[in-house]
Amino acid sequence: AQSVTQLGSHVSVSEGALVLLRCNYSSSVPPYLFWYVQYPNQGLQLLLKYTSAATLVKGINGFEAEFKKSETSFHLTKPSAHMSDAAEYFCAVSGSYSGGGADGLTFGKGTHLIIQP
Amino acid sequence: DAGVIQSPRHEVTEMGQEVTLRCKPISGHNSLFWYRQTMMRGLELLIYFNNNVPIDDSGMPEDRFSAKMPNASFSTLKIQPSEPRDSAVYFCASSPKGSSYEQYFGPGTRLTVT
Repeated sequence: AQSVTQLGSHVSVSEGALVLLRCNYSSSVPPYLFWYVQYPNQGLQLLLKYTSAATLVKGINGFEAEFKKSETSFHLTKPSAHMSDAAEYFCAVSGSYSGGGADGLTFGKGTHLIIQP
Repeated sequence: DAGVIQSPRHEVTEMGQEVTLRCKPISGHNSLFWYRQTMMRGLELLIYFNNNVPIDDSGMPEDRFSAKMPNASFSTLKIQPSEPRDSAVYFCASSPKGSSYEQYFGPGTRLTVT
């Protein structure tokens, strides 16, 4: 069984400040971890992914995340927030089923990122 | 690439009516997923297919829900009969073969059952 916990349903930062969105996961198998972003009334866009290669993963729009197995965490960061970063962010975990194909994603509840001018 | 295509984008129907949601995955992708998003429950996996074969439908809430994938380029999610509690945004996603399992999402279908 897999699960994801995102700490903080809402995070507010000032424009230009560091963004830190927290994600902890639970998985009985080596996980694949993802961050997705959702803008209002749109689908989910993949920001970045961890797939057992480098533990520090860089994504689009200046975001990055670090996989820490000992802490079962995959926190998302961005050095300097921009107004356009305001959106809902979802952390997700996946494994692979026995047939070797993609497994369904288990999502966290999401974190709404607010950027203060 | 056109991305994952879903239709309709919005659907309003009355309780008891049949609803069919449609999805065209990205060409060449071999896995397809249906999710539902609500305020109360967040994003939930309903069912997924690999090579057109249903792998896990344990997320389908009731027998009123059914999904098919007759070929690699088309899938449907049907609700019959629909109920107000089915109101949600339904997303379809696809994933390429041999990938690190990232999924690409469609724009969603917003379903309102009155």
